[in-house]
Order: sequence, then structure tokens, then C-alpha cells
Amino acid sequence: SQKIEQNSEALNIQEGKTATLTCNYTNYSPAYLQWYRQDPGRGPVFLLLIRENEKEKRKERLKVTFDTTLKQSLFHITASQPADSATYLCALDIPGGSQGNLIFGKGTKLSVKP
Amino acid sequence: KAGVTQTPRYLIKTRGQQVTLSCSPISGHRSVSWYQQTPGQGLQFLFEYFSETQRNKGNFPGRFSGRQFSNSRSEMNVSTLELGDSALYLCASSSPTGMNTEAFFGQGTRLTVV
Repeated sequence: SQKIEQNSEALNIQEGKTATLTCNYTNYSPAYLQWYRQDPGRGPVFLLLIRENEKEKRKERLKVTFDTTLKQSLFHITASQPADSATYLCALDIPGGSQGNLIFGKGTKLSVKP
Repeated sequence: KAGVTQTPRYLIKTRGQQVTLSCSPISGHRSVSWYQQTPGQGLQFLFEYFSETQRNKGNFPGRFSGRQFSNSRSEMNVSTLELGDSALYLCASSSPTGMNTEAFFGQGTRLTVV
């Protein structure tokens, strides 16, 4: 079955630096990969989606890369701010599933110190 | 546009009881997916309903069930509650177009089984 690993449970960085989070998966190659942000006690919020034929996607200070050979996605937050502190989840589509059916990694808790 | 609404936000139940959780999707979204989130297992897919039919199901016992009404509102039921069912239950709705596959999550229902 598909497995997703987000390499760090926690990542601490200094304000202004670039945070890089890693998501690795096994087995099949997904049609797309998504990144979500989750704050304590709240539901995840969608950030970015990247498709299998895309290498990179950007949105403001966020950048996602997708390497289907390495079976890995990297999520970057540039010029990080304390407000970026949250748990970040990567998610893949479930094979044979429909839109919205996702397998999630366990997340990386990012702390940005002032 | 109103977001995904889940009720109630918090619930405390006793082992052996049953519970029903409610989810109102974003207007126009016909797909509703349910997830269970625990510290140990992370976010796990329970099932998805589309046009009042269960379209996909995760790997959960039959005690977990759901339904969807003609207005796309969905309910999830857990019977014979166990201590291990304590979790944050999240529902997510998705656009009907099939192109934007991001999931829009509600705030979740925090279920505690004592």
C-alpha cells in the first residue's frame, strides 16, 4: 500500500530563513500531490497542488517541487515568519479513488522563532 | 461563500454508546469525505459520499458508517464506541468540476470516549 513519510516531525528555524519540508512516498506514482497547513484545533487548509507532469509550483513565498523519479516533494517557505508556525501536511490521491480521497503524511510541525 | 460546517465541535461519550456527527459542505460541492485524525496515526480516510452514494471507503471497521442527504449534507455514525475512537473527525468537501481536486476541510468534531 502507499506510504507517505514526512521526514521531520518538527522543524525549528529562525525568522527570515527558508524552511524546507520533505515528503517521500513509496509504491505508485500519484497523479498529484498536495500540501496543507493545519493549526492546532482546526482543519487543514489547502496551500498548493502539483501534478505529476509539473516540476515546480509557486505561490507567493511558497514553492513546491515534485520529483517522480525520487518519489519526493519538497515544500519551501522563503522569508519565514512566526505566523508560518503550524503543522504542514502532504497528501496524495488514493489510487482508484475520487477527488478528495487523500492519503496524508503525519505532518511536520514548523516553528519559526523571531 | 460559507465554508464547511461541522457540528458539534466537541463531544464526550461513554464506551459502548453511539454517536452521530454532521457536516454541511460548501454550497455546490457534492462530494463529502470523512477523515479521522489521531496523534499516532495522523489523518486517515474513512469514506466519501457523492450524490447520496458511498463512493469510496477506507480501512475502518463496520462500526463506522455514514450517509448523505439530497442537499449534500452528510452524517457520520460510530456505533459501540471504543476508547480508541477518541479523535478529531474532519469532513472535507470538493468541487464538482473534477479539475480542482483540493479538499476544503471543516473545523472538525473533537470526540472523546471515556
